[in-house]
Amino acid sequence: KAGVTQTPRYLIKTRGQQVTLSCSPISGHRSVSWYQQTPGQGLQFLFEYFSETQRNKGNFPGRFSGRQFSNSRSEMNVSTLELGDSALYLCASSLERGADEAFFGQGTRLTVV
Amino acid sequence: DQQVKQNSPSLSVQEGRISILNCDYTNSMFDYFLWYKKYPAEGPTFLISISSIKDKNEDGRFTVFLNKSAKHLSLHIVPSQPGDSAVYFCAASESNFGNEKLTFGTGTRLTIIP
Repeated sequence: KAGVTQTPRYLIKTRGQQVTLSCSPISGHRSVSWYQQTPGQGLQFLFEYFSETQRNKGNFPGRFSGRQFSNSRSEMNVSTLELGDSALYLCASSLERGADEAFFGQGTRLTVV
Repeated sequence: DQQVKQNSPSLSVQEGRISILNCDYTNSMFDYFLWYKKYPAEGPTFLISISSIKDKNEDGRFTVFLNKSAKHLSLHIVPSQPGDSAVYFCAASESNFGNEKLTFGTGTRLTIIP
């Protein structure tokens, strides 16, 4: 079965712009989580969605938001981009709980210039 | 506050020998632990997990050991192969419903020397 698909793979934006990233989970998986990976920081949890509802949120500013659609696909939005938002954004899907074994997409590499 | 710590940023091991990757955690509510492997330009791939009711879980060349009293877990790879060269992340979670997230360490880059 198809894995987790993230689009786009690479993105370059300028400061102040906003960006939307997309994630299609594994078919049948209802939980979608988003993580930010930066050098030296590991993977930091952004938020988790289940059945179109945000179930858990990490310690990121309100500029970071997301949503989940009825088909479990999820989008993540970052507004008023800052240079420090440059990172690899990873989406993970799980059957029921974002805290269980999660399957990751290849990520979207965002560069803010 | 780093709740999951991987204190060795890198590790080099001779092919055929044992690789031991370590992970420490501070949150006593964590009761499920996972190891992920990550190649460049790819997302992390699940490797092996262990529940806090066990102290060892084995899957082929990979074994994870959990020492709850020390809040320490380790991943053993034996024998190490060149394809094992990657970044390894330790992750932890709670069973507490409503806390659906994995808390990751910062990773250890493992290099297997042929």
